[in-house]
Amino acid sequence: EPEVTQTPSHQVTQMGQEVILRCVPISNHLYFYWYRQILGQKVEFLVSFYNNEISEKSEIFDDQFSVERPDGSNFTLKIRSTKLEDSAMYFCASRRGQLETQYFGPGTRLLVL
Amino acid sequence: DQQVKQNSPSLSVQEGRISILNCDYTNSMFDYFLWYKKYPAEGPTFLISISSIKDKNEDGRFTVFLNKSAKHLSLHIVPSQPGDSAVYFCAASLTSGTYKYIFGTGTRLKVLA
Repeated sequence: EPEVTQTPSHQVTQMGQEVILRCVPISNHLYFYWYRQILGQKVEFLVSFYNNEISEKSEIFDDQFSVERPDGSNFTLKIRSTKLEDSAMYFCASRRGQLETQYFGPGTRLLVL
Repeated sequence: DQQVKQNSPSLSVQEGRISILNCDYTNSMFDYFLWYKKYPAEGPTFLISISSIKDKNEDGRFTVFLNKSAKHLSLHIVPSQPGDSAVYFCAASLTSGTYKYIFGTGTRLKVLA
């Protein structure tokens, strides 16, 4: 069964460093999302992406964040200058079309020291 | 932002009995609701969904009930099995726009053998 994959599974970085989290959505999916979950808190929407552009972003998704679909398969989340409070699990999700369910990847655990 | 709430952080149930997980929402515009299951260090896994035009949807051992007037949904698992032990998140969405999900805080279900 096709699934969303994410790399790396864990990332440790120093505050102020740039990180890129990678996702490979399910191949025939057209809508892509990033969510995050700070330890002990709920899963929060960050950004949605469709047709090579951001369709919606949350208040969390400030100028330090960017997303890209550099080729036909990868979907990346970049944090330009990480802060301690960026430490969280980051989940990528994708869906095929309108009213279709989102399928989530296993997540990347980011720890900013 | 407390648009979706799960007021019970944890629930313990004996194997074979019914598990009932509850979720309340405040935004009457939500028209699509989902339940996801999450194991530690994994991404959320889709379980079951319901559209606001229905009040019940069933899939095997899982049934979701929607009470629009009370802005309340519940997930029933019967019979409960030890493998059902996980964190359960409800999510709500609008079927217009970007279709982002708003998640509750989760309920940790423990099914005792």
